[in-house]
Amino acid sequence: DIQMTQSPSSLSASVGDRVTITCRASQSISSYLNWYQQRPGKAPKLLIYAASSLQSGVPSRFSGSGSGTDFTLTISSLQPEDFATYYCQQSYRNPITFGQGTRLEIK
Amino acid sequence: QVQLVQSGAELKKPGASVKVSCKASGYTFSDYYMHWVRQAPGQGLEWMGRINPNSGDTNYAQKFQGRVTMTRDTSIRTAYMELSRLRSDDTAVYYCVRVRSEYNSGSPLDYWGQGTLVTVSS
Repeated sequence: DIQMTQSPSSLSASVGDRVTITCRASQSISSYLNWYQQRPGKAPKLLIYAASSLQSGVPSRFSGSGSGTDFTLTISSLQPEDFATYYCQQSYRNPITFGQGTRLEIK
Repeated sequence: QVQLVQSGAELKKPGASVKVSCKASGYTFSDYYMHWVRQAPGQGLEWMGRINPNSGDTNYAQKFQGRVTMTRDTSIRTAYMELSRLRSDDTAVYYCVRVRSEYNSGSPLDYWGQGTLVTVSS
């Protein structure tokens, strides 16, 4: 199975900050990398697909980059509603696997 | 608009089975793969498998092989996930998830059901 490792596992930041979350795959997955946001008690929401494509309706402060094994999710200017847990996920090969999550908290 | 409405919370004893339903609306049911993902309390996301609603073909995660069965009834636009021989560590919220693009099993997971809490306890 392809292992997905996110860093950091948790992060404290303030409204207006620029934040970057990293995801590393245990082998090359080309650009088959997606990012999800999950707020407490809610289902995950697709933010970024194919490493860098913004899902419809997602604010432009979210962006993704990378290919191969190393990927990043960047939030350019944190808003109060962005404090949540973020997951990366590879869809290159079965089984689909997720990173362990990055919890973004208010400083 | 696309909606996935799942069945309600379940309380099961160890060794029992549970069947969760996922009723779809707002799109052509047979055209989009359906996945199942679970999340134990306070934990991350775990992929269980997927079904092609058109053919009924399935792919399951190795971890669940022999215990999980995914089916669908196209006449009522509903997908099902049945998990047998339940253990306490199967306690989780179970989600059905439709992919973003039609006919593409590897497409991103786009539309999520509201989740069904399955609690396994004696």
